[in-house]
Amino acid sequence: DGGITQSPKYLFRKEGQNVTLSCEQNLNHDAMYWYRQDPGQGLRLIYYSQIVNDFQKGDIAEGYSVSREKKESFPLTVTSAQKNPTAFYLCASRTLGKKGPGEKLFFGSGTQLSVL
Amino acid sequence: AQKVTQAQTEISVVEKEDVTLDCVYETRDTTYYLFWYKQPPSGELVFLIRRNSFDEQNEISGRYSWNFQKSTSSFNFTITASQVVDSAVYFCALTSNNAGNMLTFGGGTRLMVKP
Repeated sequence: DGGITQSPKYLFRKEGQNVTLSCEQNLNHDAMYWYRQDPGQGLRLIYYSQIVNDFQKGDIAEGYSVSREKKESFPLTVTSAQKNPTAFYLCASRTLGKKGPGEKLFFGSGTQLSVL
Repeated sequence: AQKVTQAQTEISVVEKEDVTLDCVYETRDTTYYLFWYKQPPSGELVFLIRRNSFDEQNEISGRYSWNFQKSTSSFNFTITASQVVDSAVYFCALTSNNAGNMLTFGGGTRLMVKP
């Protein structure tokens, strides 16, 4: 079945540590996105990528980094510079098709990151 | 700047009641797209509907219906005869041709359907 796989489901970070969240998709989608969700809040865009080896900052990119070396993969690193990393992280993808920005997003099941 | 407001943070109903989730949006663009997503306890957002700014026709899909009104900048979602399985967080979202492929989400409405 095609879809988006995020791992791990739960992740714990120690003080000063960088951690990487994995996101893989087999939908052959061009665009991939990382969102952060805090309790009771909407989703905020961290980074997105529309093509391999290229990505753009979203609204809250500080303290995060990404790479897009393969079309299928878009890992997110939460660096030690991110002082409040506890949140639910969602990866999404979509095709860049006829509907343009109207193409729907497909989401992974998320990673809950907590600070020890 | 674009903005989506879901004023109802939490709604609780008893099974079989009808419930309407409100969504009000702001954009300066004339071509834009509105979405509703459902987030069940598993965490994954599931697409429910998309509507573009040129199509004000209301839509019904089973127990779900959507009312798009440009005059009031609203895109409300109604669940008829709610069921326990409808319990989830529902998000309204907005994007446009000038939004740089960025989707703006509302804060979400948590719906709890009690048996």
